[in-house]
Order: sequence, then C-alpha cells, then structure tokens
Amino acid sequence: NAGVTQTPKFRVLKTGQSMTLLCAQDMNHEYMYWYRQDPGMGLRLIHYSVGEGTTAKGEVPDGYNVSRLKKQNFLLGLESAAPSQTSVYFCASSYHAPGQVRTGELFFGEGSRLTVL
Amino acid sequence: DAKTTQPNSMESNEEEPVHLPCNHSTISGTDYIHWYRQLPSQGPEYVIHGLTSNVNNRMASLAIAEDRKSSTLILHRATLRDAAVYYCILRPWGNEKLTFGTGTRLTIIP
Repeated sequence: NAGVTQTPKFRVLKTGQSMTLLCAQDMNHEYMYWYRQDPGMGLRLIHYSVGEGTTAKGEVPDGYNVSRLKKQNFLLGLESAAPSQTSVYFCASSYHAPGQVRTGELFFGEGSRLTVL
Repeated sequence: DAKTTQPNSMESNEEEPVHLPCNHSTISGTDYIHWYRQLPSQGPEYVIHGLTSNVNNRMASLAIAEDRKSSTLILHRATLRDAAVYYCILRPWGNEKLTFGTGTRLTIIP
C-alpha cells in the first residue's frame, strides 16, 4: 500500500496564481486533514474532512479551499497565492475519530513544499 | 483546549534510555495523551497514546502521572534514527482535530 500520497512534492508559484494540492489515501480512511508547517513551528490545521462530501475549517483556513468529492482524495486549493502561504503542506488521514480508544492515529504524507514569490 | 508544555530541546546518548517530559496541568478527564514524532524532512508519525494507564508498544512507552497532569515518553534505547521533534498532544475524546505545538527536538549523540 502507498499510504498517503501528496502531489506535487514541490511547486513554485507567483503571487496571484492558483494551484491545487492533491492528497490520496488507499487505506479507506474516513477522516482527512490538511496542515501547514512553517519553519521552526509545529503543524497548524487548515481544513479537515470527516467523510466524503464534507469539509470543515481548522485553525488557519483563510486563503484556502478544499473539496472531498471522493473518499480517497482530499484537495487543497489556493485561489490567489500569497507569499504568506509559502510553507510545507502535509496531508493526513485516519480511520477512527481521533480520541477513540482503538487508535485514531493519523497517517501523514511526506509533504508538499510550496514557495510563493 | 488544554495545552501542553515541553522542553524545546533535549540531548541523549546513543543506546541509552530517553525520557521526554510533557506537562499538561489543565488536562480534562476526556483528554487522551498522544505522542507523535517528526523525523527530518518527513511528515509526523504516530508514536503512542494513552488515557490513564501506562502504555507500551514496539516504539516506546508512555508513563502517565497518577493525577494526569504530566506524562513521559520513554524511548528505551535511543538510536540515531530516533533524532526527531517529538510532539505531546492532548486530544479530547471524539474530537476530530489534532493540534500540534512546537514539540521537543531530540538530538542523539553517537
């Protein structure tokens, strides 16, 4: 199994351009997440989804949109990129609702490094 | 949400045990204690989690204080591959979200 796969792994954008990051998981997980990580900082939650067709805002949702049309895919869109969105983006998925006794562990992708000039 | 406090950095010698502390004095009864680690240039990976009792798995042990206001992640025999940032996270039962802090950067000395 591939686990959680993110594409692209690297991308350079100019201010105002748009792009979409794709996250795909092959573990039949219900929950999917998008985080960003800036240098020297922990991860911050952008948006998440608890099932196909549903999305919700996290800590830092402004400037991003997401869609979960298929259970295995979670897309993160930047409609008009800004230099402040330069970051490493991580996608994650989990099977159980976090906090449940069984696991609720999140499986992360390897990250997508985005630079906005 | 309840917060956690971890040292910014720690060092340990290779092949020795490592004890990574985490304080969470405002923990509530339904908060699970989760630990993740992030190796250089990789996404975080799950290490262990617990509620009240100590927990062991193939990666580590989690020791939880009786009053649950603190916990310790124990790596029994550190290797160079354990050099990473370790995050201690409180997660309320049923909460879909996992909120990361800045963690502890663990350096392993050969």
